[in-house]
Amino acid sequence: DAGITQSPRYKITETGRQVTLMCHQTWSHSYMFWYRQDLGHGLRLIYYSAAADITDKGEVPDGYVVSRSKTENFPLTLESATRSQTSVYFCASSDGTEKNTEAFFGQGTRLTVV
Amino acid sequence: DAKTTQPPSMDCAEGRAANLPCNHSTISGNEYVYWYRQIHSQGPQYIIHGLKNNETNEMASLIITEDRKSSTLILPHATLRDTAVYYCIVRRTGGGNKLTFGTGTQLKVEL
Repeated sequence: DAGITQSPRYKITETGRQVTLMCHQTWSHSYMFWYRQDLGHGLRLIYYSAAADITDKGEVPDGYVVSRSKTENFPLTLESATRSQTSVYFCASSDGTEKNTEAFFGQGTRLTVV
Repeated sequence: DAKTTQPPSMDCAEGRAANLPCNHSTISGNEYVYWYRQIHSQGPQYIIHGLKNNETNEMASLIITEDRKSSTLILPHATLRDTAVYYCIVRRTGGGNKLTFGTGTQLKVEL
């Protein structure tokens, strides 16, 4: 189906485990983003990518790793999960043109680290 | 990107217009005003954006003051499904729509 999809929708993992959240978009948008949302903090940008093989840090990048080998995929990896990374994670994409079109968000992944 | 100020919450009767204000007094000339909303547990959804002229689409209208220091998002006939957190975001052109979210306004539409 067309659009932006995240998987899994829900994940429980143990402290210290590595976990990867997947994001896939079908529009060939050049830009992709990862946000986390916690109570009292709203959405905060973790990492973003302007194109395949180009990534950059956002506001809260510590403890996360991203890669973008293909335009349509932008996985987010927690190398050693901590309880403070329990959050809802949203992926987004946009075409990034000067026309200022909107960003499209996935449905989110609810991650619990125990 | 300029910061924005929004009321934390608002109520609106179903069928009435919902007018959501946003203050962005430090906005620069090349910064656009964007509105997104987030319905409970879902990803944010784009509503509308504008530079200095008023804008209207199928979802809402955006009224920007002449000095561009504030704006109002208008939902002309609010329904229960419009209950959500509404975010006003100011950002420059380009950059792929990297967005900085504040805490937004929780709009509750009631019967």
